[in-house]
Amino acid sequence: QKEVEQNSGPLSVPEGAIASLNCTYSDRGSQSFFWYRQYSGKSPELIMFIYSNGDKEDGRFTAQLNKASQYVSLLIRDSQPSDSATYLCAVAETDSWGKLQFGAGTQVVVTP
Amino acid sequence: SQTIHQWPATLVQPVGSPLSLECTVEGTSNPNLYWYRQAAGRGLQLLFYSVGIGQISSEVPQNLSASRPQDRQFILSSKKLLLSDSGFYLCAWSSGTGSDQPQHFGDGTRLSIL
Repeated sequence: QKEVEQNSGPLSVPEGAIASLNCTYSDRGSQSFFWYRQYSGKSPELIMFIYSNGDKEDGRFTAQLNKASQYVSLLIRDSQPSDSATYLCAVAETDSWGKLQFGAGTQVVVTP
Repeated sequence: SQTIHQWPATLVQPVGSPLSLECTVEGTSNPNLYWYRQAAGRGLQLLFYSVGIGQISSEVPQNLSASRPQDRQFILSSKKLLLSDSGFYLCAWSSGTGSDQPQHFGDGTRLSIL
């Protein structure tokens, strides 16, 4: 059974601080990794993807990937109240047609 | 640009009634299409996926079915709804050109069974 694990939270972050979200996965052959943001009552929205080991930055978001450790993370710098949401980690299954394994999500609460 | 449309946004149905949810994608050809369900406070559960017209794979045995009558149309159906079918139903698409493509979600249908 391929699994994607995330801390459910809530992760409470002061406004302006860095939020650090972690995700581990069991499929050692996975090559593609995605982060989605889901506001309460809304559908998931893609915010980052990463394919190579190391860091990838996009605005206030940084995704970090370590395939040897089967670990992917998301950093949110200068956290804003509008960042309060559930963040879903998704991992592309090996030898699949595009199927993603989703974690259950980490709830982030940014406090003013 | 590509867009995905899902309707209706909300639906209240009695137990035992039929269901039809529709999803269409614009601006792309030959997409992979997916139906997910998300129970309240829970993660995403993949229900069905399709890599082409008439090609449907089921992930979870249940009283739901899916069809893909056209390249960019995906339909979720049930002949008789159960209370356990309540949830947030999401349609998604990804490019059919590779297995490393992200999925993009529609706005979802919130289904309540009475």
